[in-house]
Amino acid sequence: GENVEQHPSTLSVQEGDSAVIKCTYSDSASNYFPWYKQELGKRPQLIIDIRSNVGEKKDQRIAVTLNKTAKHFSLHITETQPEDSAVYFCAASIEGFQKLVFGTGTRLLVSP
Amino acid sequence: SQTIHQWPATLVQPVGSPLSLECTVEGTSNPNLYWYRQAAGRGLQLLFYSVGIGQISSEVPQNLSASRPQDRQFILSSKKLLLSDSGFYLCAWSHLGREKLFFGSGTQLSVL
Repeated sequence: GENVEQHPSTLSVQEGDSAVIKCTYSDSASNYFPWYKQELGKRPQLIIDIRSNVGEKKDQRIAVTLNKTAKHFSLHITETQPEDSAVYFCAASIEGFQKLVFGTGTRLLVSP
Repeated sequence: SQTIHQWPATLVQPVGSPLSLECTVEGTSNPNLYWYRQAAGRGLQLLFYSVGIGQISSEVPQNLSASRPQDRQFILSSKKLLLSDSGFYLCAWSHLGREKLFFGSGTQLSVL
């Protein structure tokens, strides 16, 4: 089955810096890659996703890149703000199977 | 609009006692339903998912079981809890045929 690895487990940056979180997946058939953000004490929520037919997707300060050949994808957050502090999860699935496999999470801390 | 309800929010149970966590979804029909467990360093682990009434797929052999007695009701159960069952349990749903997950608020289970 699919296995998703996520790095780093913790990431500390200064406000205004960029943050990058990386994930690798094992099943070459996976073609849907979402990112979820979980703020302290709250439920995970989808922030951005990408499908295998594109290599990059942006939404304001966040972007996701995908390298299908290498089977890895990354989340990029620019101009980080304290409210970006949270745990971020990557995931992968095969379209149509509707079953997400998550990474182990990255705790991002943005210091003012 | 759709909403998901999960209860209880916290639960402390002795080893060997039974467990029943309930999740209901409102405002949609025929949702896919999921139970995830969140443990430190292990991310979001998929336990069960269901694409219809009475249809349950188990992802991880364990001491737990799931049932879907009604279209929008998903129940996580155990006959005898183990210490290793402690964790944060999240129910989630998605539209049929879609991958985006909507999570419940979670149940923090402590088995003592």
